[in-house]
Order: sequence, then C-alpha cells, then structure tokens
Amino acid sequence: DTEVTQTPKHLVMGMTNKKSLKCEQHMGHRAMYWYKQKAKKPPELMFVYSYEKLSINESVPSRFSPECPNSSLLNLHLHALQPEDSALYLCASSPWGASSGNTIYFGEGSWLTVV
Amino acid sequence: LAKTTQPISMDSYEGQEVNITCSHNNIATNDYITWYQQFPSQGPRFIIQGYKTKVTNEVASLFIPADRKSSTLSLPRVSLSDTAVYYCLFLNRDDKIIFGKGTRLHILP
Repeated sequence: DTEVTQTPKHLVMGMTNKKSLKCEQHMGHRAMYWYKQKAKKPPELMFVYSYEKLSINESVPSRFSPECPNSSLLNLHLHALQPEDSALYLCASSPWGASSGNTIYFGEGSWLTVV
Repeated sequence: LAKTTQPISMDSYEGQEVNITCSHNNIATNDYITWYQQFPSQGPRFIIQGYKTKVTNEVASLFIPADRKSSTLSLPRVSLSDTAVYYCLFLNRDDKIIFGKGTRLHILP
C-alpha cells in the first residue's frame, strides 16, 4: 500500500476561520511534507517533518501552522488566511527523508478556497 | 541547490515515442534523478528514478549520460492518457525536494 490520504478533498473557508488539513500514511515513512500548488505552477515546498520533528520551514507565513502528532499523521492548521492562499495543498511522505534513492509519495491534495 | 531546466511544453501523437530532456548542470554526487507525472487536480505520481546509465520500468526509461548533467525520460508509444505535466527533480540528503517548472506534454490523436 503506497497511499497518502488527505482530507478534506475540498475546503472553503472565510478569512477569519480556523480550519485544518489532515494527512495520513501507514507505510512507516519517517519524513512527511507539505507543498502548496497554484494553478499551472509547480508544487512549492512549505514544510518538512523528519522523524516527527520540523526540519524545514520554507519561510512560510505563521498563518500556516504544521503539526505532526505521530509518525503517521501530519496536519496543517490554517488561520486568518488570505484569498491568495487559495491553492491545492499536497502532502507527501518518504521512507527516511529525501535521501539518495528514496521515493516520495504524494497524496491527491486538498483544494482550499479562501473567501 | 541543484536546478533543473526542462522544455516548457511538447506536443506528440499517439503511438509515438516521446523523449523529454532535463538539464541539471550542477547536480551533486549524491543526487538521484527522479521523474514525476502530474495530471490536473491530482498529486504528482512517481514514474522512474536513476543515478547513472539507463533505468527501465514498465512505463518509462531513463537515460543518464556519464557526466550526469542531463537526463532523458523516454515514454514509449504514448497515448492520449499520457497528457500531463512531467517534472524532473533531485532526491538527496538535505530533505529539500524542489520542483522545476515541468514540461507540459500534450498528446494528439
């Protein structure tokens, strides 16, 4: 099973709302990632968790708050977002980080619309 | 960080072989070259990965010359369903997996 599951698939939220995106994998992977993708653009790296610790934050605004409760789960908490934050948010995982020879598995994404 | 350069778009016809080349002049010794396919509104899907020479799997082949400054993804006998964006990127030890602009492949009937 090489599946990364993301919920919800679609989310509409107001600029004053607080919501969360969830990601789950049961492959025993120890690295998990959040990417943001705007239409017709490549995915942009946001955060990397390695062994449940935040290892990379690509200068993401604090209105995005990642959380890794355990090795199988990754959340992205959203608060006070702006309309320009509307995008496809992709979660990914890999066995032991982006090491040589590893494979990164992506979920199908969560479509976020901020109104 | 190693940077990749790919053609922005390509057109081909059903049944043809398609080759997409990626340039990566500053590839590091530990970098593995990996290709992903992405359909609209879906997450990227792993296609193939290699370090040097040639790698082949059930869907594609990857050719990497000895200097490793470029790589070519080869898709045999494409069909309409191969219309997608194809990304080449690197996996190395620093956990940063950065996507380039990708190549939009359009297969025509």
